[in-house]
Amino acid sequence: AQKITQTQPGMFVQEKEAVTLDCTYDTSDQSYGLFWYKQPSSGEMIFLIYQGSYDEQNATEGRYSLNFQKARKSANLVISASQLGDSAMYFCASFDMRFGAGTRLTVKP
Amino acid sequence: KAGVTQTPRYLIKTRGQQVTLSCSPISGHRSVSWYQQTPGQGLQFLFEYFSETQRNKGNFPGRFSGRQFSNSRSEMNVSTLELGDSALYLCASSPRFRTNYNEQFFGPGTRLTVL
Repeated sequence: AQKITQTQPGMFVQEKEAVTLDCTYDTSDQSYGLFWYKQPSSGEMIFLIYQGSYDEQNATEGRYSLNFQKARKSANLVISASQLGDSAMYFCASFDMRFGAGTRLTVKP
Repeated sequence: KAGVTQTPRYLIKTRGQQVTLSCSPISGHRSVSWYQQTPGQGLQFLFEYFSETQRNKGNFPGRFSGRQFSNSRSEMNVSTLELGDSALYLCASSPRFRTNYNEQFFGPGTRLTVL
């Protein structure tokens, strides 16, 4: 099973700036997938973006993109042009349902 | 399409009681997973059901059990509740059994408080 590590318990970013949330994973599988979810204070988990191990390009979804470095086993989430509504917990997860500890992002006006 | 629904949303129980939580997946989704989320332990996988069969189970005691019905709705049961069972219980559904691409759609959760 994969182990997912998020080393940033909390991050602050100024509105309209970009922020990178770190995620590293540990797997011996050749084929795997990684996900990022957002959890607002309401509690519901919202799927943001997916990266497959064989994808040739880094995933992008609107303001979200993944900085995927396979050799380093990292899949960092980049949020561009941060908005106040981006304030939430962010979780990195593996396809076999392992979640990192999460990063609490606070966007400052 | 309606999202994942969980009932009840909030629940207060006392130690020693048992509780049943319900999850209705998105129509057409056959895989349902359950998670426990606490401030101390984070998000932990409980179990996964697909086509009425438990396919995977996390590292939880036998007091935690679940089942899935033919319409893919799922229930989880916790018997002999302990204070440490206080948590947000999240249910997630997926159209397929675990693959490398296993996007899950989460419900709003049931917040269980054990007194």
